[in-house]
Amino acid sequence: EDQVTQSPEALRLQEGESSSLNCSYTVSGLRGLFWYRQDPGKGPEFLFTLYSAGEEKEKERLKATLTKKESFLHITAPKPEDSATYLCAVPYSGGGADGLTFGKGTHLIIQP
Amino acid sequence: NAGVTQTPKFQVLKTGQSMTLQCAQDMNHNSMYWYRQDPGMGLRLIYYSASEGTTDKGEVPNGYNVSRLNKREFSLRLESAAPSQTSVYFCASNRLGNTGELFFGEGSRLTVL
Repeated sequence: EDQVTQSPEALRLQEGESSSLNCSYTVSGLRGLFWYRQDPGKGPEFLFTLYSAGEEKEKERLKATLTKKESFLHITAPKPEDSATYLCAVPYSGGGADGLTFGKGTHLIIQP
Repeated sequence: NAGVTQTPKFQVLKTGQSMTLQCAQDMNHNSMYWYRQDPGMGLRLIYYSASEGTTDKGEVPNGYNVSRLNKREFSLRLESAAPSQTSVYFCASNRLGNTGELFFGEGSRLTVL
């Protein structure tokens, strides 16, 4: 059973067209919700950590929010350089105390 | 500042061959991880090491072995490669376990024929 589900799988926007990406999670006792950005041919790059419902974090045109069941990554007036795959993750619950479980990502394309 | 360095970047193997993927970090991090990334499957944790001298299985450990050689280095070994192990492999590290701020290498693309 997936712990982290992201939607949509892919999103194409025009430059300046704001939108939101969704990450829903099913873990209990959330110990953090993490957002990453991945460019083609590169490793993921950390963006944000959210720990409690109602928390918000911002970085340039990106704002991440958290509720008890899901997180949103809002992209305001995006530019072509915001094109990437955005991943969300929660702490791995496979019995150890380390690592992350990732969603499958949203592939975002911003057209000029 | 190199961060997390993986070698090799590309490798082609025949079924049954063995190889080791190398990973080194220069950030004095305690925890290190190996993930694989496949189309439609996302990133999946293979093995991790919370500290020097310890290793633990992740979601998909079958067919792999790891060694935490010292605090800097964490290697992933395929003893008898199979086509199902064709993937992009990422090594990552972080300062303390479970903070979620992982630093990733640029990946190693492995093809098993």
